[in-house]
Amino acid sequence: GENVEQHPSTLSVQEGDSAVIKCTYSDSASNYFPWYKQELGKRPQLIIDIRSNVGEKKDQRIAVTLNKTAKHFSLHITETQPEDSAVYFCAARRARNTGFQKLVFGTGTRLLVSP
Amino acid sequence: SAVISQKPSRDICQRGTSLTIQCQVDSQVTMMFWYRQQPGQSLTLIATANQGSEATYESGFVIDKFPISRPNLTFSTLTVSNMSPEDSSIYLCSDLSPRYGYTFGSGTRLTVV
Repeated sequence: GENVEQHPSTLSVQEGDSAVIKCTYSDSASNYFPWYKQELGKRPQLIIDIRSNVGEKKDQRIAVTLNKTAKHFSLHITETQPEDSAVYFCAARRARNTGFQKLVFGTGTRLLVSP
Repeated sequence: SAVISQKPSRDICQRGTSLTIQCQVDSQVTMMFWYRQQPGQSLTLIATANQGSEATYESGFVIDKFPISRPNLTFSTLTVSNMSPEDSSIYLCSDLSPRYGYTFGSGTRLTVV
């Protein structure tokens, strides 16, 4: 089955710096890769996602890149702010036509942005 | 995004008892899922709730311990049976809709004493 590895487990940056979180996946049939932000005591919230037919996607200060050949994808946050502090999870899912719709999550990265 | 109402938000239960967690979504969704999240850890899928048929369980989870129902496209329940302190965790439901993708409920924080 799918296995998703995520690094680093913790990341501390100064406000205004960039943060990069990396994930690798094992199942070459995976084609959907979302990123979730989970603040303490709250539910995971989708912040950005990417499908395997594109290599990069941006949404303001957040971007995700995908390297299908190497089976890894990364989350990039620029101009970090203290409110970006949270746990971030990557996930992977197979194509819908395979019948597998479940998300497999990475182990999470705790991001701390210091003022 | 889609709205999922999950309840109870928290509970403290005696060992050996059972707790049923409910999730209601505000629109018809294709799939519903149940996860467990230990404090400080990632989300582990328990099972996929199939409408009108038996749930599909992941390795390490069994129906006798975690019976799941999904009587229609907008509602599902997860029961944690014969609880022990090791079952203390956060339980989350999630849905998949064509319009909004995956959305999570607010979670149920379970403590077994």
